[in-house]
Amino acid sequence: AQSVAQPEDQVNVAEGNPLTVKCTYSVSGNPYLFWYVQYPNRGLQFLLKYITGDNLVKGSYGFEAEFNKSQTSFHLKKPSALVSDSALYFCAVRFSGNTPLVFGKGTRLSVIA
Amino acid sequence: EAGVVQSPRYKIIEKKQPVAFWCNPISGHNTLYWYLQNLGQGPELLIRYENEEAVDDSQLPKDRFSAERLKGVDSTLKIQPAELGDSAVYLCASSLDPGANTGELFFGEGSRLTVL
Repeated sequence: AQSVAQPEDQVNVAEGNPLTVKCTYSVSGNPYLFWYVQYPNRGLQFLLKYITGDNLVKGSYGFEAEFNKSQTSFHLKKPSALVSDSALYFCAVRFSGNTPLVFGKGTRLSVIA
Repeated sequence: EAGVVQSPRYKIIEKKQPVAFWCNPISGHNTLYWYLQNLGQGPELLIRYENEEAVDDSQLPKDRFSAERLKGVDSTLKIQPAELGDSAVYLCASSLDPGANTGELFFGEGSRLTVL
């Protein structure tokens, strides 16, 4: 069965430092991978996706993610964190075909000034 | 352009009472989803509609939950009767891509249900 794991419940980083939020997936086939962000009392907002092609994808707000097939990972990164990046981040995976989007449990990112 | 609109934002009810949530998707989005988000967890799919047809309702607890999308636009999710364990955030999302395999989902702000 398809699944996605976010091994860290919480990530703390100082403002201006690079950040990484980890995501790994389990799949038999080619996955479609997504990152969403959720600010307090708000719905999820799409950040970026990997469908095919270049393993490094760039998204909104300066975020990027790298698809690593051998490690079955899709870590979210940003070179320089902002306090406003503090939020809940969800990794999600879908497989080719008419399958539902499966979300990880989320990682809370706190950027400290 | 208006986003996905959900109401009510917050609802507090006694257990065994009924409750209904409403969702208006982004104009032109044929695919509509209802997700359940428990505290500290990621969203879990309850039901997915393609126009007015429910194409995936395998995770919907049909003994107490029901949903409809009569004209292929707005949708309503109902719980009757509500139980304590139903306290959660109910998220509605829509997408343009019919199969939504590669397209992103657009989420509403959610309806937070508290069952006392």
